[in-house]
Amino acid sequence: EAGVAQSPRYKIIEKRQSVAFWCNPISGHATLYWYQQILGQGPKLLIQFQNNGVVDDSQLPKDRFSAERLKGVDSTLKIQPAKLEDSAVYLCASSSRAQTQYFGPGTRLLVL
Amino acid sequence: GIQVEQSPPDLILQEGANSTLRCNFSDSVNNLQWFHQNPWGQLINLFYIPSGTKQNGRLSATTVATERYSLLYISSSQTTDSGVYFCAVLYSGGGADGLTFGKGTHLIIQP
Repeated sequence: EAGVAQSPRYKIIEKRQSVAFWCNPISGHATLYWYQQILGQGPKLLIQFQNNGVVDDSQLPKDRFSAERLKGVDSTLKIQPAKLEDSAVYLCASSSRAQTQYFGPGTRLLVL
Repeated sequence: GIQVEQSPPDLILQEGANSTLRCNFSDSVNNLQWFHQNPWGQLINLFYIPSGTKQNGRLSATTVATERYSLLYISSSQTTDSGVYFCAVLYSGGGADGLTFGKGTHLIIQP
């Protein structure tokens, strides 16, 4: 069974630019999560989708971050405009029926 | 929100040693997972263990939900065990399923 796929793996941008990350969850997993992991800390949930609906986006900085999961499968997370403090690893995870969450390899973002 | 504390924050051991990592949490949970984050940043599932005891090779874990703690045991450590170990929980009183992570235990196994 294929794991969670993410792309790109690395991204370097200037502050105030925009960037987008893509995630493909494990086949059949209805729940998809985006986490942000700042260096030296544990991951923090940004947004949770159940199929194509948002369950929790209370920690998503909505003035600059947006996410969508239009067909209930793949998801895109966007940052516009990026700030220096957005430098982090962005992790996508998926699960079936609120059980074990499986994480992708992450996208490392550096904002200069 | 729920608080997750892991100890020790750092641990340096010689190859072959045994270790115990602890995770304390502040409220009741529906889900508790242990992860190993390797040097490339990949989070690898070790255990899904909201209660009870599980074993997988040299690793085992115990969660005592009523006392709000979980332990991860690593026996006969190998250099490939190095990395950061995270405990993550799902608060049972919440409506969503996002995990709350501790700050991790950074484990270094020396040859």
